[in-house]
Amino acid sequence: GAGVSQTPSNKVTEKGKYVELRCDPISGHTALYWYRQSLGQGPEFLIYFQGTGAADDSGLPNDRFFAVRPEGSVSTLKIQRTERGDSAVYLCASSFRRTGELFFGEGSRLTVL
Amino acid sequence: SQQGEEDPQALSIQEGENATMNCSYKTSINNLQWYRQNSGRGLVHLILIRSNEREKHSGRLRVTLDTSKKSSSLLITASRAADTASYFCATEPLRQGGSEKLVFGKGTKLTVNP
Repeated sequence: GAGVSQTPSNKVTEKGKYVELRCDPISGHTALYWYRQSLGQGPEFLIYFQGTGAADDSGLPNDRFFAVRPEGSVSTLKIQRTERGDSAVYLCASSFRRTGELFFGEGSRLTVL
Repeated sequence: SQQGEEDPQALSIQEGENATMNCSYKTSINNLQWYRQNSGRGLVHLILIRSNEREKHSGRLRVTLDTSKKSSSLLITASRAADTASYFCATEPLRQGGSEKLVFGKGTKLTVNP
């Protein structure tokens, strides 16, 4: 596709459940980022991939959060044992270069009841 | 953690007026970028200014960067109702070996009244 695609656009789950959020970056973009945005706040960095490897995962809040990018394209953010505090919009972005402009998807809105 | 801090948090102006938003940050940077976000949508890149640049223009946008004060400003001239959105500054911290992530501020919510 022409832009960054994220699925699902909305996810409602119950506390304690497992959730996967998918990101399909722009073709050819080697850098992929996950951010989390709470209401009224700016995006908060979670993890950055360069190719298949996680180059910087310093923003992951705890070990319930994990992300993969096995073939250097699509990425999946995985959240185990979800908590109400995980409710937010999860944004994915990709970039052609390590530094420079990021192209964002529309986000996946996660609601944990 | 969020490095950038925008000021004001909210701004309401009339169509045709200019809008100025400011951003302050804490650490040395490679570059600073401004993004726009319409309600409920993803972020869209507006402009990037490198640490060795002082001013940059793009259409009705003018960005300045003062690295000695660790601050930047975004000016939107002749605003339109369609400019209503949240605006975020994002900094790329300077790190040995190059840096990879953007750190965003909390944003300025701009409302342009017709």
